[in-house]
Amino acid sequence: NAGVTQTPKFQVLKTGQSMTLQCAQDMNHEYMSWYRQDPGMGLRLIHYSVGAGITDQGEVPNGYNVSRSTTEDFPLRLLSAAPSQTSVYFCVSGDRVNTEAFFGQGTRLTVV
Amino acid sequence: AQSVSQHNHHVILSEAASLELGCNYSYGGTVNLFWYVQYPGQHLQLLLKYFSGDPLVKGIKGFEAEFIKSKFSFNLRKPSVQWSDTAEYFCAVLTGTASKLTFGTGTRLQVTL
Repeated sequence: NAGVTQTPKFQVLKTGQSMTLQCAQDMNHEYMSWYRQDPGMGLRLIHYSVGAGITDQGEVPNGYNVSRSTTEDFPLRLLSAAPSQTSVYFCVSGDRVNTEAFFGQGTRLTVV
Repeated sequence: AQSVSQHNHHVILSEAASLELGCNYSYGGTVNLFWYVQYPGQHLQLLLKYFSGDPLVKGIKGFEAEFIKSKFSFNLRKPSVQWSDTAEYFCAVLTGTASKLTFGTGTRLQVTL
């Protein structure tokens, strides 16, 4: 029972590089979202999806892209990494009623 | 847009002391409320949630929270903390139908022996 699987767990990027954070869930959840966690700021929503083919922006979407081609996968792309994107990223999934949010293990990203 | 306020940023307690962490939200409609805990180096785990019914909600590890609608509050309590409760605690609000949790900034709890 894998739940929400996020990869990689750690990543160091140089400014300007691009990369994709992977997220997959095996619970057939419709809702998936990406948050970033920064000290003193809690978790802020980057992008979210309410189903395959549907995505929308959250609170801090700039510099990130997402797509939802399948129910299971919700990758987050950093187009041109900046030091301000140094953070811990969490992928979250939930069902229609969203009685509970399931978190991935997180990705600690450092942009130098 | 809804917001969540956690006024205590860092709380230090001795073991066996009682705990109350404040959480206030700003949203006039129906809300679902959550408390999450994050132990060092780990992801967030659900402590308890409130959707409807009894406003006093009991969660795991002896935690409870009380929803007071008139005060827009959902404070977390525990009668006697343990050293293992050292962690960061996040209050969150879910409004609407989309999976968009709004989190507070978190409260770091440090329990000393």
